[in-house]
Amino acid sequence: GNSVTQMEGPVTLSEEAFLTINCTYTATGYPSLFWYVQYPGEGLQLLLKATKADDKGSNKGFEATYRKETTSFHLEKGSVQVSDSAVYFCALSDSGTGGFKTIFGAGTRLFVKA
Amino acid sequence: DGGITQSPKYLFRKEGQNVTLSCEQNLNHDAMYWYRQDPGQGLRLIYYSQIVNDFQKGDIAEGYSVSREKKESFPLTVTSAQKNPTAFYLCASSLRGGSLSNTGELFFGEGSRLTVL
Repeated sequence: GNSVTQMEGPVTLSEEAFLTINCTYTATGYPSLFWYVQYPGEGLQLLLKATKADDKGSNKGFEATYRKETTSFHLEKGSVQVSDSAVYFCALSDSGTGGFKTIFGAGTRLFVKA
Repeated sequence: DGGITQSPKYLFRKEGQNVTLSCEQNLNHDAMYWYRQDPGQGLRLIYYSQIVNDFQKGDIAEGYSVSREKKESFPLTVTSAQKNPTAFYLCASSLRGGSLSNTGELFFGEGSRLTVL
């Protein structure tokens, strides 16, 4: 079945450091890929998405490219801020008989120090 | 503003009690979902519904029940049969699967934290 694996956290960075959170997936079809962000005590928000191979999703300085050849969707940001401290979830969504099914990774907690 | 409203935000339950978590959306979405989140884990699907008066079990449905009598509402009942109900519960909605404009993006509420005393 489909699955998502993302790097374990927590990840601790200083402000303005470069961020990479690795995500790889297994899927039998052609899923859409997502990064969601969860701030403390809140629900998840969509950060960015890509719907087909070689698409690049971007938002708020974050980027991720849908790499079918390596089945990856790594999240990057060139210069993190304290306000980026949150939990980041990689996810895939694939249509099936029950409509879209979304599979989430375990989440990676990011701490950014001033 | 369109969105999803979950209530209550915090809920305490004694063992043996049933509790119901509310989820209301005004996004005109057909599909609604309930997820459970435990510390250090990803989200696990409890129940989902693609249309009114129809719902399906997810990966961890035992001890939970739902109803979908209205498009905008999808309440979740945590029954006394759920042995470890302390968790953060998230409701989400999306366009219905199969819609041309649907990429599978989920819209989430703020969550409800249930604690068993």
